[in-house]
Amino acid sequence: DAGVIQSPRHEVTEMGQEVTLRCKPISGHNSLFWYRQTMMRGLELLIYFNNNVPIDDSGMPEDRFSAKMPNASFSTLKIQPSEPRDSAVYFCASSLRTGWDQPQHFGDGTRLSIL
Amino acid sequence: GDSVTQMEGPVTLSEEAFLTINCTYTATGYPSLFWYVQYPGEGLQLLLKATKADDKGSNKGFEATYRKETTSFHLEKGSVQVSDSAVYFCALTPPGGGADGLTFGKGTHLIIQP
Repeated sequence: DAGVIQSPRHEVTEMGQEVTLRCKPISGHNSLFWYRQTMMRGLELLIYFNNNVPIDDSGMPEDRFSAKMPNASFSTLKIQPSEPRDSAVYFCASSLRTGWDQPQHFGDGTRLSIL
Repeated sequence: GDSVTQMEGPVTLSEEAFLTINCTYTATGYPSLFWYVQYPGEGLQLLLKATKADDKGSNKGFEATYRKETTSFHLEKGSVQVSDSAVYFCALTPPGGGADGLTFGKGTHLIIQP
C-alpha cells in the first residue's frame, strides 16, 4: 500500500516567493496533519483536518501560512510570502479517526530552504 | 497545556549495550503515549504505544511502560544494534484520541557504534 506522499521532497526558493507544499494521505484515512520540524523548536503541529474540515489551526505561526483540503485525497500548505525563518522540514501525516489508538502515518517530508 | 520532556541527546552507545531513553509528560487525564522513530531522511514511524496506565508497549525489542504515578514512558532495549541509530520521539495525545494532534518531545538522537 502506498504511504503518505508529499511533494516536493526539496524546495529552495527566495524570500518573498510563494511556496506550496502538497500531501496525498493514505487512502481511507480521514484525518490529516501538518507538522513543522526545526532544530530549535523540534516538531510542531501546525494544523489538522478531520473529514476535510480544519479542526485546529492554532499552531499556524502567522497569516502567511494557510492550509486547504479540497478533498479526501489531497491537501496543500501554502506560505505567502515566504521568509528565511520558514526554512524547516514540513511533514504531513494521516490517520483513521475511528479508534483511540490509531497511529499517525507520516510522509517523508518536504525540506524547505528560503534564501 | 500538554507537554513531553525527553532526555537530551545525542546518546552514544556501543553495540549490544542496554538502552534507556527517559520520557516524562504533563497532561490532564489519561493521555495515550507513543514512541516514534525517525531514520535519516525519512518521516516518523510509530515504534510502540500504550493507552492506559501500566500498559507495556513493545516492538522490535523495544519496550516502554505507561507509569501514571511517575508520569513517565521510558524507552528501553536490552541489546542495541547499529541499525537502531535514529532519532526517537516520545509523544502523547489527549484522552480518547490518536486522531488528534500529537504533542512531541524534542527527540533524542541515538548513535550506536560497532
